[in-house]
Amino acid sequence: AQSVTQPDIHITVSEGASLELRCNYSYGATPYLFWYVQSPGQGLQLLLKYFSGDTLVQGIKGFEAEFKRSQSSFNLRKPSVHWSDAAEYFCAVDFQGAQKLVFGQGTRLTINP
Amino acid sequence: DADVTQTPRNRITKTGKRIMLECSQTKGHDRMYWYRQDPGLGLRLIYYSFDVKDINKGEISDGYSVSRQAQAKFSLSLESAIPNQTALYFCATSDYRTGGADTQYFGPGTRLTVL
Repeated sequence: AQSVTQPDIHITVSEGASLELRCNYSYGATPYLFWYVQSPGQGLQLLLKYFSGDTLVQGIKGFEAEFKRSQSSFNLRKPSVHWSDAAEYFCAVDFQGAQKLVFGQGTRLTINP
Repeated sequence: DADVTQTPRNRITKTGKRIMLECSQTKGHDRMYWYRQDPGLGLRLIYYSFDVKDINKGEISDGYSVSRQAQAKFSLSLESAIPNQTALYFCATSDYRTGGADTQYFGPGTRLTVL
């Protein structure tokens, strides 16, 4: 079955520290990959997406993600987090261009001052 | 004004009641989706519609039904609500793109509690 895994349920980092959130997916063909962020009480906002081309993609709010085909991964990174980055982050995958998203379980990010 | 709106934003109901959640969009998108979010499970697809005459079941459609009244409106109904349908429900839209996927845009969510 097609699945998306975010291994880390909750991550805590200090403000100014670097961040990496992990995402792995099943299935062999190159899917379409997304990262969304959900701030408390809010809907989901797109951070970035990968369809094809350069495997390192830049998004909003200083985030980037790298697609690694050999590892079936699409990890999200930020070099220096801000208190406002505290939120829940979701990796989502559109397998085979089906126009349906399969979401990971989410990673809740807490920022220590 | 928000591009994707959901009403109500919060609802508390009792077991066995019928309830409808509504979604409207001004983005002009053809495709609309309903998801539910549960802690630790992420978002799961309930139903989706690629145009007014096209309705498809998602991963967890049992206990739910939908209606696509117009291109801009997509409603989710719980015919007889049960407590395990307590969740945060999201509507989303996307635009058709030949040969590829497109971004889904999400509404603010409806928090439903079934007592």
